[in-house]
Amino acid sequence: GQNIDQPTEMTATEGAIVQINCTYQTSGFNGLFWYQQHAGEAPTFLSYNVLDGLEEKGRFSSFLSRSKGYSYLLLKELQMKDSASYLCAVRDSNYQLIWGAGTKLIIKP
Amino acid sequence: DGGITQSPKYLFRKEGQNVTLSCEQNLNHDAMYWYRQDPGQGLRLIYYSQIVNDFQKGDIAEGYSVSREKKESFPLTVTSAQKNPTAFYLCASSMGGASAPYNEQFFGPGTRLTVL
Repeated sequence: GQNIDQPTEMTATEGAIVQINCTYQTSGFNGLFWYQQHAGEAPTFLSYNVLDGLEEKGRFSSFLSRSKGYSYLLLKELQMKDSASYLCAVRDSNYQLIWGAGTKLIIKP
Repeated sequence: DGGITQSPKYLFRKEGQNVTLSCEQNLNHDAMYWYRQDPGQGLRLIYYSQIVNDFQKGDIAEGYSVSREKKESFPLTVTSAQKNPTAFYLCASSMGGASAPYNEQFFGPGTRLTVL
């Protein structure tokens, strides 16, 4: 079957750096997405990786290794507003998005 | 102001009643999607549509129905056949079809349905 694994919850300190990992086993691969979702709200797009390597976008970076079925989202200079769930999603061979359950990130002052 | 709207934000229904959730987008997107989100689980695809008057079942289509008569609108009906309908429902759209190279999905604010 298809599977996306992410840690359920992580805690970090304001101003620090945190890395949220995502491992996947899917039938085919056509890109990996990271979304941010605040409680009770809609997910919003953060990043997209289709080739191996690091994509940087301001305080957020996302890394992909297709051979390892692995990605991470790196958040720098954490702010209280970064407290949210972070969803990893992989587009499979049928171009359907397979979603992880999300990682709830708690930021402490 | 382009975006996706879903209404209402909260919806309560009695068991055995059908209910229709609305989703409207003015982004001129071709593809639209309905997801269900339950605590501790990833988003699960109910139905999707890549063009007007055409739609396909997702992973959990049983007990749901949709229509796509206009590009802007993709309403979802939760029927009485859906065994556990209480959930958070999210509508999304994307510019190209599912196989477009860069297929970022934009989400509406969601409807939280509670069946009593």
